[in-house]
Amino acid sequence: DAGITQSPRYKITETGRQVTLMCHQTWSHSYMFWYRQDLGHGLRLIYYSAAADITDKGEVPDGYVVSRSKTENFPLTLESATRSQTSVYFCASTQGWNTEAFFGQGTRLTVV
Amino acid sequence: SQELEQSPQSLIVQEGKNLTINCTSSKTLYGLYWYKQKYGEGLIFLMMLQKGGEEKSHEKITAKLDEKKQQSSLHITASQPSHAGIYLCGADGAGKLIFGQGTTLQVKP
Repeated sequence: DAGITQSPRYKITETGRQVTLMCHQTWSHSYMFWYRQDLGHGLRLIYYSAAADITDKGEVPDGYVVSRSKTENFPLTLESATRSQTSVYFCASTQGWNTEAFFGQGTRLTVV
Repeated sequence: SQELEQSPQSLIVQEGKNLTINCTSSKTLYGLYWYKQKYGEGLIFLMMLQKGGEEKSHEKITAKLDEKKQQSSLHITASQPSHAGIYLCGADGAGKLIFGQGTTLQVKP
């Protein structure tokens, strides 16, 4: 199916565990983004990527790692999950500047 | 780095009333997006404005871009319960797509 998909949709993990959130897009968009959404904060940019093998930090990168070995995939890893990383995570992709960004349906992550 | 500030942060209106949400940028706007969301769900693209003075409408929602003021406004005419949700403005900031903190809209029947 064409589009941008995130997996899993829901995840509960324990403090200290490593967890990876997946993002896959079928359009070969150059840019991909990871956001977290918390009440009162809107969407905060964690990491973004302008192309395969090019990634850069956003607003709140601490505790997260990304990679982009293929254009279509942009996984986000929490190396050692903390309760403060409980949030809803959104992945997005866009072809370039001033073009519509498409969002995944989100991953609701709970760290206990 | 560029920041977007939305006002108001939350809004409760009676059905049928008009309302306006503002988005102000700390730097020059070269384009601005408006999205709508139910909290925790995916974002729905509303419209994108690319030029100063540009105005776009979709059904009862109108957005304008004022480049000089580094601001955009979203106006809803004759609000309905279906308009309830979180409205987010976004902008390209040197390759980063950033967003404001969102405006939560409730529409009372």
